Amino acid sequence: EDQVTQSPEALRLQEGESSSLNCSYTVSGLRGLFWYRQDPGKGPEFLFTLYSAGEEKEKERLKATLTKKESFLHITAPKPEDSATYLCAVQGSGAGSYQLTFGKGTKLSVIP
Amino acid sequence: GAGVSQSPRYKVAKRGQDVALRCDPISGHVSLFWYQQALGQGPEFLTYFQNEAQLDKSGLPSDRFFAERPEGSVSTLKIQRTQQEDSAVYLCASSLGAGMNTEAFFGQGTRLTVV
Repeated sequence: EDQVTQSPEALRLQEGESSSLNCSYTVSGLRGLFWYRQDPGKGPEFLFTLYSAGEEKEKERLKATLTKKESFLHITAPKPEDSATYLCAVQGSGAGSYQLTFGKGTKLSVIP
Repeated sequence: GAGVSQSPRYKVAKRGQDVALRCDPISGHVSLFWYQQALGQGPEFLTYFQNEAQLDKSGLPSDRFFAERPEGSVSTLKIQRTQQEDSAVYLCASSLGAGMNTEAFFGQGTRLTVV
């Protein structure tokens, strides 16, 4: 059974204070690791897909990295508008390979 | 439309009532997914359609849950004899290609409250 654990559950940062969110996973044959952003009352918004260990992707102040056991979402000089819940999900190649298995998310608050 | 549209946005049902939740995916998207998200949790997979074919329904929690996508576009998730534990946000997502390796777009969800 695929599993995803995200830490911390909640993170408060001062504007401009860089940090990282962690996503640890176990999966039978990784087909992809996904990062989403979710604002209150909204559906998840796609950020990145990573496919293999060593891969990195960047978008504005966000950078996602992947190892064989975990992924990190690095946030550089965050702004208040980066406040949201960040969800990590994996897609495996075993039974049920169409589905994503999500973590519980990290709720990020960026204080002006 | 520009994105995935779900209706209604909010639904209050009395315990035992049947409900139907609608999803309009992005036009031309082959894949359609339903997820259930409880408060403070990540989304949990319910079912997957590739065009009109339901290829995976392993996440449906009981035989009270039924989903269809008869013409390969609009999908409906039906819950019969609703129970309090069915209260959650139901999310629909669509993607252009088959499976989930391509970028998936989520709707805003339907918040179901069973009283």
